[in-house]
Amino acid sequence: KNQVEQSPQSLIILEGKNCTLQCNYTVSPFSNLRWYKQDTGRGPVSLTIMTFSENTKSNGRYTATLDADTKQSSLHITASQLSDSASYICVVILWGNQFYFGTGTSLTVIP
Amino acid sequence: GAVVSQHPSWVICKSGTSVKIECRSLDFQATTMFWYRQFPKQSLMLMATSNEGSKATYEQGVEKDKFLINHASLTLSTLTVTSAHPEDSSFYICSAGSGRANDEQYFGPGTRLTVT
Repeated sequence: KNQVEQSPQSLIILEGKNCTLQCNYTVSPFSNLRWYKQDTGRGPVSLTIMTFSENTKSNGRYTATLDADTKQSSLHITASQLSDSASYICVVILWGNQFYFGTGTSLTVIP
Repeated sequence: GAVVSQHPSWVICKSGTSVKIECRSLDFQATTMFWYRQFPKQSLMLMATSNEGSKATYEQGVEKDKFLINHASLTLSTLTVTSAHPEDSSFYICSAGSGRANDEQYFGPGTRLTVT
C-alpha cells in the first residue's frame, strides 16, 4: 500500500470552476509536505512547501492545507484555467530527507 | 526559481547500446542531485541520490552497474543507462538541491528514453 495516497485519481472540471485535490499520508514524522504540478512530458514544478507546523500555504490561485493530526493535505485551485491541466503530485519528505511521492491526480480543465 | 536542464530531452536507441543523460544546474551549485524514472501514468520513483564527489546511493532494486551515475561537479550529474533494453524505456527526471530536508528541490524537464 502506497504511503501517500491521492484522490481523486483523475478529475475533469469546467474552466473557471474551483476544485480540491486530496492527499492522505501515513509516513511520519515528516519534515515538510510539498505539492508539485507536472505538465505532460515535463518535470514537476513546486507549488507549495509546508513544514509540519504550518497548516496553510498559498501561491496565487493555489492554496494548500495541512492537518497533521489527521495526516491529510489538500490543494485547492480557484478559478481554474485551461493551463491548470496537469498532474498534481503530493510529496512527503521525512527528516532523513526521504521522499515519498503520491501517485498524483490528473486534472483536466475544459472550456 | 532555479533552473535545472537535462540533455537530451528525448533519445531513441537500439537494444544493447548505452545512453548518457546529463543533468545540469544552471544558476546554482547543487550539492545533491536525484535521479528518478517515471512510467506512464505513474508517479516518480527515486532511483538514486548523488552527492558531488562521492558515490551515488541507489534505492533498493536499482542496479548500480546498469545505471551509472557520476556527479563530478556541483553543476553536473550524468546518468548512463548501460546495455539498454526495451524495458528501460521510460521518462528519466533529475532534480537538484542542497540535500537539506526543508530546502527546495528543482526538477529538470525530463528525458524520454525509448529503446527499440
